Amino acid sequence: EPEVTQTPSHQVTQMGQEVILRCVPISNHLYFYWYRQILGQKVEFLVSFYNNEISEKSEIFDDQFSVERPDGSNFTLKIRSTKLEDSAMYFCASSPPFRGSNQPQHFGDGTRLSIL
Amino acid sequence: AQKVTQAQTEISVVEKEDVTLDCVYETRDTTYYLFWYKQPPSGELVFLIRRNSFDEQNEISGRYSWNFQKSTSSFNFTITASQVVDSAVYFCALSHISSGSARQLTFGSGTQLTVLP
Repeated sequence: EPEVTQTPSHQVTQMGQEVILRCVPISNHLYFYWYRQILGQKVEFLVSFYNNEISEKSEIFDDQFSVERPDGSNFTLKIRSTKLEDSAMYFCASSPPFRGSNQPQHFGDGTRLSIL
Repeated sequence: AQKVTQAQTEISVVEKEDVTLDCVYETRDTTYYLFWYKQPPSGELVFLIRRNSFDEQNEISGRYSWNFQKSTSSFNFTITASQVVDSAVYFCALSHISSGSARQLTFGSGTQLTVLP
């Protein structure tokens, strides 16, 4: 069964540094998402992406964040200047294009980001 | 605005007991999806079920069952004859139904289930 793949599984970065989290969504999916989960808390929506542009974003997704689909397969989340509070698990998800699809969003296994 | 409430922060049961995880939601949408996800200690999110708001039929899958009651805006999850491997955080989630557009999920805060041997 196709999977959403995220790399790396764990990223350790110094505060103030830029970090890029990578995701390979399922190949025929058209909608892409990033979620964040601070340790011990709930999963929070960051941004959705469709047709090469942001569809929706949450209050968390400020100017320090950006997303990109640089080629036909990768979907990246960039944090420009990381802060301690950016430490979290970041989940990528994708969903298919079908109208009224029964398919849920498919989640990757997450990237644990640790800011020192 | 959408909101999902899981009032039970932590539940502990002894193996083979039945356990029900509560989920209450708020939405202005007339049609929507409800979900349950399991997050084991390894951290990944495992999809368990999706329910359409216009389908109130309860569902059973093995030891798992779900009780959807639109009148009380609840979507409760019951594990029958719990096992140690059921120990995880369980999240209830909600999304609007909008064909042809992104459907972000709103998650509850999760319930930590511990099944003791």
